[in-house]
Amino acid sequence: EPEVTQTPSHQVTQMGQEVILRCVPISNHLYFYWYRQILGQKVEFLVSFYNNEISEKSEIFDDQFSVERPDGSNFTLKIRSTKLEDSAMYFCASVIQVGGYEQYFGPGTRLTVT
Amino acid sequence: GENVEQHPSTLSVQEGDSAVIKCTYSDSASNYFPWYKQELGKRPQLIIDIRSNVGEKKDQRIAVTLNKTAKHFSLHITETQPEDSAVYFCAASRGNNDMRFGAGTRLTVKP
Repeated sequence: EPEVTQTPSHQVTQMGQEVILRCVPISNHLYFYWYRQILGQKVEFLVSFYNNEISEKSEIFDDQFSVERPDGSNFTLKIRSTKLEDSAMYFCASVIQVGGYEQYFGPGTRLTVT
Repeated sequence: GENVEQHPSTLSVQEGDSAVIKCTYSDSASNYFPWYKQELGKRPQLIIDIRSNVGEKKDQRIAVTLNKTAKHFSLHITETQPEDSAVYFCAASRGNNDMRFGAGTRLTVKP
């Protein structure tokens, strides 16, 4: 069964550095999402992406964040200048378009900002 | 925007008993209500979902009920087993739009 994959599994970075988190959604899925989960807390919506553009974004997704689909398979989340409070698990998810709402999550990238 | 409240935050049951987790939502336009199970250090896994045109859905030991008028939905797990122990999250969305999660319920099933 196809799965959403994410790389790296763990990223350690220094405050102020840029990071790029990568996701490969399930092929033929057309809606893509990024979520974050601070340790021990709930999953928080960041952004949804469809037809090569952002459909919705949350209040968390400020100017420091950006998303891109550079080719037909990858979906990336960039944080321009990381802060300590960006430390969290970041999950990518995807949905098949036709009548489907079910979101399938990737294994996540644990981001640690020091 | 949508606000999802989830109760209880922790729930401990004896193996074989039933467990019920409840959620309320605020946006009457929400029409999709999934439940996710998350084991420690793992990804959220979709276990069951319900759309707003249905009042109840069942899948073996798991069922979900939805009351659109009251804007609440519940997860019911019967004949609980130790492997059901995990954190369960409810969520609500308007179709493929942003999905908002509840705060989670840590379920412990004691053998």
